[in-house]
Amino acid sequence: EPEVTQTPSHQVTQMGQEVILRCVPISNHLYFYWYRQILGQKVEFLVSFYNNEISEKSEIFDDQFSVERPDGSNFTLKIRSTKLEDSAMYFCASSGRTQNTEAFFGQGTRLTVV
Amino acid sequence: AQSVTQLGSHVSVSEGALVLLRCNYSSSVPPYLFWYVQYPNQGLQLLLKYTSAATLVKGINGFEAVFKKSETSFHLTKPSAHMSDAAEYFCAVSRANTGGFKTIFGAGTRLFVKA
Repeated sequence: EPEVTQTPSHQVTQMGQEVILRCVPISNHLYFYWYRQILGQKVEFLVSFYNNEISEKSEIFDDQFSVERPDGSNFTLKIRSTKLEDSAMYFCASSGRTQNTEAFFGQGTRLTVV
Repeated sequence: AQSVTQLGSHVSVSEGALVLLRCNYSSSVPPYLFWYVQYPNQGLQLLLKYTSAATLVKGINGFEAVFKKSETSFHLTKPSAHMSDAAEYFCAVSRANTGGFKTIFGAGTRLFVKA
């Protein structure tokens, strides 16, 4: 069964550093998403991406964050100048060719900022 | 705007007892509804989904949920709890828009199963 793959599964970075979280969505999907889950809290929507541009973003997704689809298979989330409060699990998701298929989630990348 | 309310941040049941996790949603259009399970330090696993077909939805591991439009509810049940069911459960709602399929999650309910 096709699945969304995220790498790395764990990332530790020093405060102030830049990190890039990587995702390989399901191959024929066209919509891509990032979500965040701070430890012990609920999963929060960050951003959706379609046709090489952001289609929607939450108030959490400020100038510190950016997303990119650098090639035909990867979808990345870049966090510039990381802060302690960026420590969280980050989930990538993708959905299908129409707007009427659900999103499939990856297993997440746990980011720890020290 | 869509939202999800999960009633009870913690639920404790005995092994073999009925599991009932409550979820109410708010949506201006017919929603898609989901239940996800998350084990400690793991990702999200889809238990089941409602996509406007049958109101009784059967999922994995013996879980099922009933969509009640009149009550705007989508409660998750399992007839007999097993120790391995201990986890965090998230109800979620989404609908298609121009941005795709944004999913809104509830705050989660942690299920404890006592021996």
